[in-house]
Amino acid sequence: GAVVSQHPSRVICKSGTSVKIECRSLDFQATTMFWYRQFPKQSLMLMATSNEGSKATYEQGVEKDKFLINHASLTLSTLTVTSAHPEDSSFYICSARARDRVQETQYFGPGTRLLVL
Amino acid sequence: AQKITQTQPGMFVQEKEAVTLDCTYDTSDPSYGLFWYKQPSSGEMIFLIYQGSYDQQNATEGRYSLNFQKARKSANLVISASQLGDSAMYFCAMILTGGGNKLTFGTGTQLKVEL
Repeated sequence: GAVVSQHPSRVICKSGTSVKIECRSLDFQATTMFWYRQFPKQSLMLMATSNEGSKATYEQGVEKDKFLINHASLTLSTLTVTSAHPEDSSFYICSARARDRVQETQYFGPGTRLLVL
Repeated sequence: AQKITQTQPGMFVQEKEAVTLDCTYDTSDPSYGLFWYKQPSSGEMIFLIYQGSYDQQNATEGRYSLNFQKARKSANLVISASQLGDSAMYFCAMILTGGGNKLTFGTGTQLKVEL
């Protein structure tokens, strides 16, 4: 159990376009999902916390108007990178916390590699 | 604020040997959880093991065990009988129970298992 999927796995886009990344919990309900960004050879940096049915909470320094997060259901959260620029190229990875599990474990999706030309 | 420190950027181990990956943490909160994740070159984050701050026993999951020394604030990962497939980046992470469920990650240790 505890499978999280992400789509797409890779995306290449032109500068100025918007890119939507989906994160789904496949076999459990996730009240909370998290979005991270990871640059090459660096650790994961939390961008925002997404709660079902409410606005996302962004970490300091993350532009909420640039990284739009929608957590429409207990199994789906989306991250939209608006007007993407080359500096937004990174590995974006989501995680989900299971609703009915006592343990605090977060399960991660396989990640999305974004390249903005 | 909590902090996770991994002091080993890279480690090498021979196949079938055991290896210890270091992790120290800093928090004033008495209730927290510690995790280890494995990230192979494909990028996915694979959950390995969890230790709660109030757990009396050290966590074990197959070939993985967590050497939890609360007084020293360390949570080292021990991998026994290393396999070539264990080569990956390993991240230690901490969560404050009741602290918004945010994971704080260390900088990672790149493990290379050699023949």
